[in-house]
Amino acid sequence: EPEVTQTPSHQVTQMGQEVILRCVPISNHLYFYWYRQILGQKVEFLVSFYNNEISEKSEIFDDQFSVERPDGSNFTLKIRSTKLEDSAMYFCASSVGVGTEAFFGQGTRLTVV
Amino acid sequence: KQEVTQIPAALSVPEGENLVLNCSFTDSAIYNLQWFRQDPGKGLTSLLLIQSSQREQTSGRLNASLDKSSGRSTLYIAASQPGDSATYLCAVLSSNTGKLIFGQGTTLQVKP
Repeated sequence: EPEVTQTPSHQVTQMGQEVILRCVPISNHLYFYWYRQILGQKVEFLVSFYNNEISEKSEIFDDQFSVERPDGSNFTLKIRSTKLEDSAMYFCASSVGVGTEAFFGQGTRLTVV
Repeated sequence: KQEVTQIPAALSVPEGENLVLNCSFTDSAIYNLQWFRQDPGKGLTSLLLIQSSQREQTSGRLNASLDKSSGRSTLYIAASQPGDSATYLCAVLSSNTGKLIFGQGTTLQVKP
């Protein structure tokens, strides 16, 4: 069964360092998303991406964040200069279209020390 | 601004019991509502998707209903099993960009 895959599963980084979280969405999906979940809190939307551009971003998604689809299969989230408060589980998701079922990856746990 | 609330926050039931999880949302202008399961430290597994024009969806022992006008959805789990123990999240789609707004989840424990 097709699934969204994310790498790495866990990343530890020092404050101020850049990190890139990687995702391979389901192959025929056209819409891609990043969400995050701080421990004990709700899952929060970060950004949606369609047709090689951002279609919506949240207030969390400031200039330190960027997304890219560098080739036909990968979808990445870059955090330029990590802060302690960026520590969270980051989920990638994809869907065929808006309003169709969204499928989530297993997440990358980011720990900023 | 859309807000999603789930009650109760936690629920513990004996095996075999039927149970209902509740989800409410403040803005009835939604495209759809999706229920997910999350195991500790893991990703989100989609359980059911209900489009705004639908009243309910069923998958195995799970049945989800939607009442858009009152801003409520319920997830009914029949004959609960210990393997159903997890956190159940509901999420609503209110925008045409695919952005989902999540509730805080209900953590279910089914005791053998």
